[in-house]
Amino acid sequence: SQTIHQWPATLVQPVGSPLSLECTVEGTSNPNLYWYRQAAGRGLQLLFYSVGIGQISSEVPQNLSASRPQDRQFILSSKKLLLSDSGFYLCAWNPGGGAFFGQGTRLTVV
Amino acid sequence: QKEVEQNSGPLSVPEGAIASLNCTYSDRGSQSFFWYRQYSGKSPELIMFIYSNGDKEDGRFTAQLNKASQYVSLLIRDSQPSDSATYLCAVKTDSNYQLIWGAGTKLIIKP
Repeated sequence: SQTIHQWPATLVQPVGSPLSLECTVEGTSNPNLYWYRQAAGRGLQLLFYSVGIGQISSEVPQNLSASRPQDRQFILSSKKLLLSDSGFYLCAWNPGGGAFFGQGTRLTVV
Repeated sequence: QKEVEQNSGPLSVPEGAIASLNCTYSDRGSQSFFWYRQYSGKSPELIMFIYSNGDKEDGRFTAQLNKASQYVSLLIRDSQPSDSATYLCAVKTDSNYQLIWGAGTKLIIKP
């Protein structure tokens, strides 16, 4: 069966520090992968999606970037975090229907 | 712009009653419709999907789709306190890659 791993679960980072969140998928090949952000009490905002290695589409201009160095690995990064980057970050895999999510990372920028 | 609308709630329902959650969407080309449950602090979990007009039942859950009215709903029968969560509606349009998400409805089941 397919599983999606995301870490860390929680993260507190100072303003101006870098960020790297990693997501890996097991049990499938060439998955469509997504990064979402969810602000408190809000819906899901799509940040990036990838249909293959090295292929990244950005949905929202922002302080973040994404990379897909391997087929089942998707990384979300920032060089310098802003206070507004705080939120719940979710990696998701879409096998063609609904999306399946990792456990999420609660990021607090202080 | 393609949109999915949900009442933010909270929707308060007595234990054992039927909870009715509603979602409307703007894109008539929408093909697939999904309901997710999200407990506080957790990631969303897919609970139902529906592709065709009419009803789809799975245990205590029933999804209802009316494409003419651009309306999808989720009914939860015999509501339990463990059903208390935020329910997100998501719609897949003609893109193979993206879901459009509603902001969610917070459901509270009162014992």
